[in-house]
Amino acid sequence: NAGVMQNPRHLVRRRGQEARLRCSPMKGHSHVYWYRQLPEEGLKFMVYLQKENIIDESGMPKERFSAEFPKEGPSILRIQQVVRGDSAAYFCASTPRQGLLQPQHFGDGTRLSIL
Amino acid sequence: SQQGEEDPQALSIQEGENATMNCSYKTSINNLQWYRQNSGRGLVHLILIRSNEREKHSGRLRVTLDTSKKSSSLLITASRAADTASYFCATNTGANSKLTFGKGITLSVRP
Repeated sequence: NAGVMQNPRHLVRRRGQEARLRCSPMKGHSHVYWYRQLPEEGLKFMVYLQKENIIDESGMPKERFSAEFPKEGPSILRIQQVVRGDSAAYFCASTPRQGLLQPQHFGDGTRLSIL
Repeated sequence: SQQGEEDPQALSIQEGENATMNCSYKTSINNLQWYRQNSGRGLVHLILIRSNEREKHSGRLRVTLDTSKKSSSLLITASRAADTASYFCATNTGANSKLTFGKGITLSVRP
């Protein structure tokens, strides 16, 4: 499967725990985007990363959220001290390079539930 | 703030009919894209139209763009039950590659 791979597909955490969401972009893609989708809503941009660089984090909450895309391995979206409001579907997308006309390729998302 | 706003919010049609979905946005854009999302899955790119284009076709899809009205429409002709999904418009303002999505339209195609 050469598509964008996200894991886990479902993640359950209790309030105060940490959540780590992983995204492996399509082969040959070096740009990754994270979006959050609340029920019955569209996707909201969170962060745009290139290998080892954060390009745009304007959609990231100021506290508890961080993202990285290391030289080797998947991109990680990390949420510390989760709260009920963090419950959502988190989607990752990738493109081969920077380019305004690049369609984004999405994974099937991680559904995060906070108890 | 929500850049893209689609209407209607939900659309139910009979197989074989055409489905028209509309999207309005607020700021200047570089391009506008339409995506489909099946239940429980990620988004699939359908079509992209640049700000200097007025109409584009891809198979049974036709998209129009009116930058003076800041609006776009997606037409699916001869709909099929498999077209049942949520459809989202997304805009790119040109600052970088990130997209701003609307809330989506739920399309149900009855067999």
